[in-house]
Amino acid sequence: KQEVTQIPAALSVPEGENLVLNCSFTDSAIYNLQWFRQDPGKGLTSLLLIQSSQREQTSGRLNASLDKSSGRSTLYIAASQPGDSATYLCAVRTGGFKTIFGAGTRLFVKA
Amino acid sequence: GAGVSQTPSNKVTEKGKYVELRCDPISGHTALYWYRQSLGQGPEFLIYFQGTGAADDSGLPNDRFFAVRPEGSVSTLKIQRTERGDSAVYLCASSEGGNNEQFFGPGTRLTVL
Repeated sequence: KQEVTQIPAALSVPEGENLVLNCSFTDSAIYNLQWFRQDPGKGLTSLLLIQSSQREQTSGRLNASLDKSSGRSTLYIAASQPGDSATYLCAVRTGGFKTIFGAGTRLFVKA
Repeated sequence: GAGVSQTPSNKVTEKGKYVELRCDPISGHTALYWYRQSLGQGPEFLIYFQGTGAADDSGLPNDRFFAVRPEGSVSTLKIQRTERGDSAVYLCASSEGGNNEQFFGPGTRLTVL
């Protein structure tokens, strides 16, 4: 059974700091991995999608990597800003069409 | 609008009642997903549609939950004999295909009293 874990559960950093969020999964047989952000009381906003054949994806200040063999993904955020404060979720698409989410990392960027 | 929409945004009902939650996916998206999210948790997969058919309904918790997508576009999640434990935010997502980027709607907050 696929399980997705995100560490840390919460993180507080000063503005301008570079930071890394971690996501691990127990079964390496995935089709893709997607990172989302969720603002309080809102739906999810897609950030990056990495297909199983890819190693990383970049969008602006965000870079996500995928290491299937070790069951890990990281989301790197460069030069963090207060507007980056949100919950960040990773999700893996497994065989059988299921998508399994982690519980998320709550990020607070202090001005 | 170009995004996924869900109605209603909030639904309050009494234990034992029947509810329907609606999802309008992005036009042209063949894949549609339903999830539910409890406070402090990530979304929990319920069901996946490819076109009109439910390709994976393994996440539906029991037979009180049912979902349809009769014309391959709009989907309705139906919950019979609601229980207090069904209270959650129900999220819908769509994608161009089953292995593509998922786009989420704002969710429906269901409260069962």
